[in-house]
Amino acid sequence: NAGVMQNPRHLVRRRGQEARLRCSPMKGHSHVYWYRQLPEEGLKFMVYLQKENIIDESGMPKERFSAEFPKEGPSILRIQQVVRGDSAAYFCASSPSDSSYEQYFGPGTRLTVT
Amino acid sequence: DQQVKQNSPSLSVQEGRISILNCDYTNSMFDYFLWYKKYPAEGPTFLISISSIKDKNEDGRFTVFLNKSAKHLSLHIVPSQPGDSAVYFCAAPRGGGGNKLTFGTGTQLKVEL
Repeated sequence: NAGVMQNPRHLVRRRGQEARLRCSPMKGHSHVYWYRQLPEEGLKFMVYLQKENIIDESGMPKERFSAEFPKEGPSILRIQQVVRGDSAAYFCASSPSDSSYEQYFGPGTRLTVT
Repeated sequence: DQQVKQNSPSLSVQEGRISILNCDYTNSMFDYFLWYKKYPAEGPTFLISISSIKDKNEDGRFTVFLNKSAKHLSLHIVPSQPGDSAVYFCAAPRGGGGNKLTFGTGTQLKVEL
């Protein structure tokens, strides 16, 4: 019974490059949340998606960040033209429904921008 | 605006004793709370939760207490074990389409032998 999977686990990008982070939710889960954890801080909500729909992107920076959850395949968090301040751990969580309070987290992707 | 606060960044407890982790919140609309445990280089793992209609929820060594009038909750771990050493986050879901979680900043618990 596979949990939430994220890849890559570690990603190093130079300033100005693009970063693509992938998340496969738990089997049977169609609701995906992305969170970001900056050093010495708690997790901050970024975006909530269902299959083929962005439901809430109120936590996403206005520029350079986008997310998708296609009908087939994993959810993707895309950061264009990365800057040093994007260095963080990015966690994906899934839940079986929008009324479920419990979310199950993946191991995270640690993005380092050099 | 930090709606969920954990004012103690760290806590050190001896093995076998009780660990008490505290969390305060400001948003009176929160009606459900969760505690997550996080080891280094891993994602948070759900530990225990409580609904605002209760003031206590117990699961084995873990008990969460909720004081709505004080907007305060606490997680008690007894007896504490070395494997409990981790960062503990309290979180509350915000409704309005999905249940995005608002997290506290976490408390690093160290259980010493």
